[in-house]
Amino acid sequence: EAQVTQNPRYLITVTGKKLTVTCSQNMNHEYMSWYRQDPGLGLRQIYYSMNVEVTDKGDVPEGYKVSRKEKRNFPLILESPSPNQTSLYFCASRRTGSLLGYTFGSGTRLTVV
Amino acid sequence: DAKTTQPTSMDCAEGRAANLPCNHSTISGNEYVYWYRQIHSQGPQYIIHGLKNNETNEMASLIITEDRKSSTLILPHATLRDTAVYYCIVRVEGQGGSEKLVFGKGTKLTVNP
Repeated sequence: EAQVTQNPRYLITVTGKKLTVTCSQNMNHEYMSWYRQDPGLGLRQIYYSMNVEVTDKGDVPEGYKVSRKEKRNFPLILESPSPNQTSLYFCASRRTGSLLGYTFGSGTRLTVV
Repeated sequence: DAKTTQPTSMDCAEGRAANLPCNHSTISGNEYVYWYRQIHSQGPQYIIHGLKNNETNEMASLIITEDRKSSTLILPHATLRDTAVYYCIVRVEGQGGSEKLVFGKGTKLTVNP
């Protein structure tokens, strides 16, 4: 089944403890992106990657890092999480040049205390 | 930042057609309109997209006005499982092939038994 898989689904952590949210897609998509969703603010793009080793900032990149060493994986790294990063996170992917929409993961609900 | 305007909420009776409007009066000639939906806190799901012609797939139909300033998503026979937030999005392309989805607040569709 074609899908984007995020792990973990739920995570509670403490301020300052480094964490990684993994994202993997099995569709050989070039384009991958991370979004966060907050009440009243909707979905906002954090980082995106157009292909392996090519990443760039979205609208709200502060406090986040990403890497794209392999085509299928696009992990989101929080080096020193803070409570304002408590949010619902989504990873999405798409084939470059295709007009079809993005495939989103099921989401990761992160709470930083 | 969103380039679309949608009603905040709508209700529909089960089995009836749900017609969700969207205004995108500033859309450019080569920009596509996309529709996604989000059921509860799951990942957004791509529904359909269009440029200027009406489109239909197994999920829905998309009617775009001739001046392209507005569109309507039609769910022909709404079911309870269609209760979700529906997002109308104009896909924004940036420099170097980058792009992002700018999600507005969407329309909360409630299908009633």
